[in-house]
Amino acid sequence: QKEVEQNSGPLSVPEGAIASLNCTYSDRVSQSFFWYRQYSGKSPELIMSIYSNGDKEDGRFTAQLNKASQYVSLLIRDSQPSDSATYLCAVTLGGYSTLTFGKGTMLLVSP
Amino acid sequence: EAQVTQNPRYLITVTGKKLTVTCSQNMNHEYMSWYRQDPGLGLRQIYYSMNVEVTDKGDVPEGYKVSRKEKRNFPLILESPSPNQTSLYFCASSFSFRGGTYEQYFGPGTRLTVT
Repeated sequence: QKEVEQNSGPLSVPEGAIASLNCTYSDRVSQSFFWYRQYSGKSPELIMSIYSNGDKEDGRFTAQLNKASQYVSLLIRDSQPSDSATYLCAVTLGGYSTLTFGKGTMLLVSP
Repeated sequence: EAQVTQNPRYLITVTGKKLTVTCSQNMNHEYMSWYRQDPGLGLRQIYYSMNVEVTDKGDVPEGYKVSRKEKRNFPLILESPSPNQTSLYFCASSFSFRGGTYEQYFGPGTRLTVT
């Protein structure tokens, strides 16, 4: 069964720390990987996309992809209380026709 | 402003009364999709469309219908809603990539309660 797995959390970090969010996926042929942020009761917001092995940086966010280990991660540097949200990992499993979402990791950043 | 819109945002209805949730996007996206989100179950895809007149089932299509007659619109139809369809619904759209989906952008959501 094709799956995307995330630790549900909550992951608690102090303000200014680095938050590390992890995601594993089951399908070796997956090609596209995304991180979404979702505040409670709101819609998912795309924050990062990554398609090739290695790191991709955008401001305080860094996505890391390791296709051999079927693992994608999101690092948030200098975490702020406003980063407190649920982070969803999404992967195109088995091709490109659909996105499969993990259940999300709740991040809590304390002042 | 580039956006995905959904209407209504909130809806309370009774079992068996047909309803339609509309979704529209102004980004000229080929791909559109409907999800439902339930506590503990995450986001699950209901139906998707790769282009006009092309639709396909997602993971949880039972009890739902869709149509794609225009590129910008992708309505979700519940012909006989039941309480187990009480959920938060999201529409999303993207450009098509290799015949599939690319970065998806979400609408604001529709909270549906069926009593």
